[in-house]
Amino acid sequence: SQKIEQNSEALNIQEGKTATLTCNYTNYSPAYLQWYRQDPGRGPVFLLLIRENEKEKRKERLKVTFDTTLKQSLFHITASQPADSATYLCALTDTGRRALTFGSGTRLQVQP
Amino acid sequence: DAGVIQSPRHEVTEMGQEVTLRCKPISGHNSLFWYRQTMMRGLELLIYFNNNVPIDDSGMPEDRFSAKMPNASFSTLKIQPSEPRDSAVYFCASSFVVAINLRGRSGRNTEAFFGQGTRLTVV
Repeated sequence: SQKIEQNSEALNIQEGKTATLTCNYTNYSPAYLQWYRQDPGRGPVFLLLIRENEKEKRKERLKVTFDTTLKQSLFHITASQPADSATYLCALTDTGRRALTFGSGTRLQVQP
Repeated sequence: DAGVIQSPRHEVTEMGQEVTLRCKPISGHNSLFWYRQTMMRGLELLIYFNNNVPIDDSGMPEDRFSAKMPNASFSTLKIQPSEPRDSAVYFCASSFVVAINLRGRSGRNTEAFFGQGTRLTVV
C-alpha cells in the first residue's frame, strides 16, 4: 500500500542549530515533492517544491533534498529560530490520483 | 487576492443535522481540493475538482458526504446527516495546475493554497 511517513515524534532543538526532518514514501513514483508549514489553527502554507531530477533545492535558510532511489526527502532549516516552531508536512502527487497526498507531519520546537 | 476563503470558521451542530461548508478559491485557479484533518488520520484528501468537474472523490467517506462546484468561484461540502465522528477541521485548497508529462508520468508542479479551515464539532 502507499505510505508517506514522517516522524510523528516532535523534534526539539536549540536555537541556532540545524533542524533536519525526514519524509519517506512507499509505492509512489512522484515527479514532484512539496513541503508545507502548518501553524496551530491555520491551514498549511507552501514552502518548497523539488522535482525528481533535482537533488537539492534551497530557499533562504531552507534546504530540501530528494533521493528517488532511497524514496526519501530531507528538509533542513539552518540557523533555526523559535519562530520556525511549527508542524512541517511533506506532500506528493500520486500519478494516478493527480492530487496532493500529505504525510502526517513532524512538529518542530525550537528552544530559545 | 484575499486567498482561499472558507466559511464558517467554526460550526457546532447536533448529530443528525445537515452541515454545509463553503469555499471560495483564488480567482484564476483551476483546481480545488477538500481535505479533512484529524489528530488520528492527519490531512486526508476528500475530493478534487478540476475546471469545476469532480475528478477524484475516492476519499469521500460515505454517501453522507457530497461536494459541488457550481462555478469556478464557489464550492460546497455537505454532510447529511452529520455524526460525531465527522468532527474535524475541514480545509479547502486551490491551485493552478498545468499537467506535466515526464516520461509518461503526470505531476503537479504548482503549490496549493489553503484556506483557514472550518472546525466542525458534531455533538
